[in-house]
Amino acid sequence: QQQVKQSPQSLIVQKGGISIINCAYENTAFDYFPWYQQFPGKGPALLIAIRPDVSEKKEGRFTISFNKSAKQFSLHIMDSQPGDSATYFCAASRSNTGKLIFGQGTTLQVKP
Amino acid sequence: GAVVSQHPSWVICKSGTSVKIECRSLDFQATTMFWYRQFPKQSLMLMATSNEGSKATYEQGVEKDKFLINHASLTLSTLTVTSAHPEDSSFYICSARDWVLSTDTQYFGPGTRLTVL
Repeated sequence: QQQVKQSPQSLIVQKGGISIINCAYENTAFDYFPWYQQFPGKGPALLIAIRPDVSEKKEGRFTISFNKSAKQFSLHIMDSQPGDSATYFCAASRSNTGKLIFGQGTTLQVKP
Repeated sequence: GAVVSQHPSWVICKSGTSVKIECRSLDFQATTMFWYRQFPKQSLMLMATSNEGSKATYEQGVEKDKFLINHASLTLSTLTVTSAHPEDSSFYICSARDWVLSTDTQYFGPGTRLTVL
């Protein structure tokens, strides 16, 4: 299975709150899990990525939590700001191919 | 560093014509580049993998004769949409891997908006 399932489809959070987006994958051969942020009309920008030998990775306000046994990973955005309003995509790939399989995307709106 | 550019940023063409989109890695060498297509409010779908000096490999369902890919140098890959039709209208995005800095990280270009009339 190549599919990566992402939820929720949309999310509204108050400024200062925590935004949580979840993804699940089927292919246990995946070994690289990035999150991308995309603004309308722009290309995706890498936020943070994790490999399955680590259960959590934090970079600034962004944290990835990874559960290998459940084949799930999530993005937490702490202290969400209106400037974080964008579409977020999780993805998965095998390092030897580099082919990214993207989730369906989550539209985040952070209200002032 | 790690900047990927695309040209043009948008293009409008008539049905039946061909359109070429360029993808360049500006400050690193990319032995592998990827081409994605994104329809409005949808996710990115991988179209093909472009390897420098060799033929591109296409994902299932992508017509290789319609979407011609050339990766002639370590910093340039091109996608040519041949005999474009309105259903080819989409946002085309390339990405590149920097093998020196990382084997995993992909850097995406800003995308090219194609509208076929």
